[in-house]
Amino acid sequence: EPEVTQTPSHQVTQMGQEVILRCVPISNHLYFYWYRQILGQKVEFLVSFYNNEISEKSEIFDDQFSVERPDGSNFTLKIRSTKLEDSAMYFCASSEAFEAFFGQGTRLTVV
Amino acid sequence: AQKVTQAQTEISVVEKEDVTLDCVYETRDTTYYLFWYKQPPSGELVFLIRRNSFDEQNEISGRYSWNFQKSTSSFNFTITASQVVDSAVYFCALSEAGTTDSWGKLQFGAGTQVVVTP
Repeated sequence: EPEVTQTPSHQVTQMGQEVILRCVPISNHLYFYWYRQILGQKVEFLVSFYNNEISEKSEIFDDQFSVERPDGSNFTLKIRSTKLEDSAMYFCASSEAFEAFFGQGTRLTVV
Repeated sequence: AQKVTQAQTEISVVEKEDVTLDCVYETRDTTYYLFWYKQPPSGELVFLIRRNSFDEQNEISGRYSWNFQKSTSSFNFTITASQVVDSAVYFCALSEAGTTDSWGKLQFGAGTQVVVTP
């Protein structure tokens, strides 16, 4: 069964560093998403991406964040100058129509 | 404003008891989807069910059942004869119509922690 794959599963980074979280969506899907879940809290929408551009973003998704589809298979989330409060689980999802399929998540720890 | 409300933060039951998780949603759209996800301690989101707004039939899948009532904007989830492996956080989520790429934009509730003890 096709699945969304995220790498790495866990990343530790120093405050102020840049990180890139990677996702391989399901191959025939056209819509891509990033979500964030701070420990113990709910899952929050960050951004949606379609046709090589951002289609919607939440107020969380400020200039510190960017997304890219650098080739035909990967979808990345870049976080510049990480802060302690960026520590969270980040989920990638992809969708063809009426259902989003989630990856297993990347746990980001900023120290 | 909260679009999905899960009022129960934690439910503790003894194995074999039934447990019902409440979910109340708010939307002005006539077409929308509702979801339940399970998040075990390992952290991944496990899809359980999707229900569209036009299908109010209740659904049963093994020990899981769902009760969708548009009149009360609720989509409740029951685990029958709970087991220790059911211990997890359960999230209800809403996806509203609009542009096509809205379907993958889910609005999650705060989640309900279910603790099943032997």
